[in-house]
Amino acid sequence: AQTVTQSQPEMSVQEAETVTLSCTYDTSESDYYLFWYKQPPSRQMILVIRQEAYKQQNATENRFSVNFQKAAKSFSLKISDSQLGDAAMYFCAQTSGSRLTFGEGTQLTVNP
Amino acid sequence: NAGVMQNPRHLVRRRGQEARLRCSPMKGHSHVYWYRQLPEEGLKFMVYLQKENIIDESGMPKERFSAEFPKEGPSILRIQQVVRGDSAAYFCASSPVAGNYGYTFGSGTRLTVV
Repeated sequence: AQTVTQSQPEMSVQEAETVTLSCTYDTSESDYYLFWYKQPPSRQMILVIRQEAYKQQNATENRFSVNFQKAAKSFSLKISDSQLGDAAMYFCAQTSGSRLTFGEGTQLTVNP
Repeated sequence: NAGVMQNPRHLVRRRGQEARLRCSPMKGHSHVYWYRQLPEEGLKFMVYLQKENIIDESGMPKERFSAEFPKEGPSILRIQQVVRGDSAAYFCASSPVAGNYGYTFGSGTRLTVV
């Protein structure tokens, strides 16, 4: 069974600084996708960034970028120039067929 | 283009009652997925449906839970004879094609069983 592990239950960062959230996964599939979702207090699940496993280039979306290490099965999220609105729970997820397997989440606090 | 619509947003049921959660996918999306989020945990897959068909229900509890996605109307997640352990946030997501590209999630229904 696929597993996704987020080893940091909580992280904090100063506004305008950079923070990296860790994620490792375990899969036997050769073709899969990886995602980071953001869940603010409103509970809405918001897609932050997506990585296709067959692409070596790391995905970026504005201030969000990933460090995808396929051999190590690692998929970390870097948030640059952190803003107060980035405060949320962040979930790493991996596809398994048509379903997603989620990690347990990292609660990010942004300090002014 | 409205997103994935879930209602109600909050639902309170007494133990033994039935809970019905509704999900209208995004326009043009024919694939619907239900996930459950227990307090302080990540989302767990429950069931994957296409119009009138259940494709994968491997994450559904064997008893009391059922899901449907009729030809017309929203997808329904039904929980019969609710117990306190059913208290959770239930999320629906939809996609235009099967899997792999990232879904669009609704805002969830928070079910509280008292």
